[in-house]
Amino acid sequence: DIQMTQSPSSLPASLGDRVTITCRASQDIGNYLRWFQQKPGKSPRLMIYGATNLAAGVPSRFSGSRSGSDYSLTISSLESEDMADYYCLQSKESPYTFGAGTKLELK
Amino acid sequence: QVQLKESGPGLVQPSQTLSLTCTVSGFSLTSYNVHWVRQPPGKGLEWMGVIWSGGNTDYNSALKPRLSISRDTSKSQVFLTMNSLQTEDTGIYYCNRNSAWGQGTLVTVSS
Repeated sequence: DIQMTQSPSSLPASLGDRVTITCRASQDIGNYLRWFQQKPGKSPRLMIYGATNLAAGVPSRFSGSRSGSDYSLTISSLESEDMADYYCLQSKESPYTFGAGTKLELK
Repeated sequence: QVQLKESGPGLVQPSQTLSLTCTVSGFSLTSYNVHWVRQPPGKGLEWMGVIWSGGNTDYNSALKPRLSISRDTSKSQVFLTMNSLQTEDTGIYYCNRNSAWGQGTLVTVSS
C-alpha cells in the first residue's frame, strides 16, 4: 500500500501568515493527490485535486504544488475561516490512503 | 444536484455486523464511483473502500477480511457491510463521490 506521510501534525499560525502543509508519498503517485479541509462536526471539503487544481468555490489564497514525491498545500494569507484540519489523499491506486492530518490553529 | 446520504443503526453490539446504506441522487451509480470513508472520534480520516462505476470493488487492506461493499443501481443505493465489529470501529461513516460527501452517520459499537 502507498503510505502518505503528512507534516506537521499541528500548525500554530497567525492571521495573515503564509502556511504550508506537506505530504510525502512512499511511491510514485503522479499528480493523483487531493487535499481536503474539515471543520469540527462537518464533512470534509475538497480543496485541491490533481495536486495543483483548485476545486470549485475554493478561495484563490489556497494552492497546491508538487516537488518530486512531496506535495504541498499552501495558504498565502491565513484567514480565520481557514482554521480547520487538513488531509491529503492519494488516488493513484487502490487502496487509496489519507495522510494523518494537520490541525491548523491560531497561535 | 449531487447528493449522498448515509443511514444506519447508530448502535451496534461488539462482534455483530454493521450494515449501512448510502442513498444517492443527481447521478447514476453506473457512471460514478462511490467511496466509503470513516473517522473515529477525534482522529483522522480512513479510506475504507470503493465500488467502481462498473461494479467492481476495492478495499482497505486492513479491513478487507471483514468488509463488503455492494449496490442496487435501480434504487441508487450503495451498501456497506462489515462484520466482527469492535469498539475501535466506532466513528462517523461517510460515503463520497469526488467532491460530494454525505453528512456522515455515527456508528457506536457498545454493549
